[in-house]
Amino acid sequence: DAGVTQSPTHLIKTRGQQVTLRCSPISGHKSVSWYQQVLGQGPQFIFQYYEKEERGRGNFPDRFSARQFPNYSSELNVNALLLGDSALYLCASSFTGGTSYGYTFGSGTRLTVV
Amino acid sequence: KNEVEQSPQNLTAQEEEFITINCSYSVGISALHWLQQHPGGGIVSLFMLSSGKKKHGRLIATINIQEKHSSLHITASHPRDSAVYICAVGNYGGSQGNLIFGKGTKLSVKP
Repeated sequence: DAGVTQSPTHLIKTRGQQVTLRCSPISGHKSVSWYQQVLGQGPQFIFQYYEKEERGRGNFPDRFSARQFPNYSSELNVNALLLGDSALYLCASSFTGGTSYGYTFGSGTRLTVV
Repeated sequence: KNEVEQSPQNLTAQEEEFITINCSYSVGISALHWLQQHPGGGIVSLFMLSSGKKKHGRLIATINIQEKHSSLHITASHPRDSAVYICAVGNYGGSQGNLIFGKGTKLSVKP
């Protein structure tokens, strides 16, 4: 059974551009959460989706948006990229999304904004 | 003050040493997670616990709910244990699925 897969693994964008990151959860998992990890810091919560609905949103600007598809995969979109958006973006899937259940993390997408 | 604090931030040990990493939190939690992150960035979940103690191989995790404190122990450490160890808590009252992470403890085990 495949783990959580994220694509692309790395990408470089210029300021002002838009980017879409993708995540496929473990089969059977219905919840996907997105996190941003800036170098030297712990991950910060961006979004959680469960059964295609947004269940939570962290303290990020409206330039960040996400959605979940009927197959439970998810996309994270970031518009009008800033240098400060350079980070590792992690996706985590879980069965229900409740915080008492285990999470499985993907390997992340490393975004560099130049 | 961060809601999840880890100590130490950096730790260098010799092979075979017993290692302890500490995590303190200030919020009500439903569960606490210990995670391992290697230089490539991928995160591996080591433990999820809400009470007591769990053991897996050379790793032991304990939690004291009353004191809002957890420890991760590594027995007979090995260079392959070198990684960043992160404590994260699931927060009662917060958005479901919202884990609050500590900044991590960077462990380097020397042969």
